[in-house]
Amino acid sequence: EAGVAQSPRYKIIEKRQSVAFWCNPISGHATLYWYQQILGQGPKLLIQFQNNGVVDDSQLPKDRFSAERLKGVDSTLKIQPAKLEDSAVYLCASSLVAGLTDTQYFGPGTRLTVL
Amino acid sequence: QQQVKQSPQSLIVQKGGISIINCAYENTAFDYFPWYQQFPGKGPALLIAIRPDVSEKKEGRFTISFNKSAKQFSLHIMDSQPGDSATYFCAAFAGTYKYIFGTGTRLKVLA
Repeated sequence: EAGVAQSPRYKIIEKRQSVAFWCNPISGHATLYWYQQILGQGPKLLIQFQNNGVVDDSQLPKDRFSAERLKGVDSTLKIQPAKLEDSAVYLCASSLVAGLTDTQYFGPGTRLTVL
Repeated sequence: QQQVKQSPQSLIVQKGGISIINCAYENTAFDYFPWYQQFPGKGPALLIAIRPDVSEKKEGRFTISFNKSAKQFSLHIMDSQPGDSATYFCAAFAGTYKYIFGTGTRLKVLA
């Protein structure tokens, strides 16, 4: 079974530029998550999709971050404009459903550096 | 109340020793507590998890001890091996399918 795929793996941009990350979840997984992992911290949930609908985006900085999951499969996360404090690893995860004990499978992440 | 406090921040253990990582929470509504293992350049992977209705769960060399009254839980890695060197995160299920992660413990097992 293929895992969660993310691209690019690394991205370096100047502040105020825009950037987009792509995630392809495990086939058949209805739930998709985007996390932000700042160096030395645990992952923080940014947004959660159930199929192509948003379940939770309470911690997404909506003035600069946006995400979509077209057709309930792939997802993109965009930052526009980027700030220095956005430097982090952006992790995508998926789970079969969104149950209490349903395992979340994480991709390798995209490491963003904002200069 | 939505925090999970994890300690220590880093840990060095000799091969064959026991690694112990602790987490504490305040929100009594949390009802599922997984531990994740993360190797450099990889995403976190579920290692072991526990529900609050049991005090201990063991899977191979990994054991979770849970103290509901103290609102604490810990991960014990028995017979620690160099291959266990990774960052470990505790987490708590916070309802609406959201996990709150601890800050992580970087474990290094010396050969």
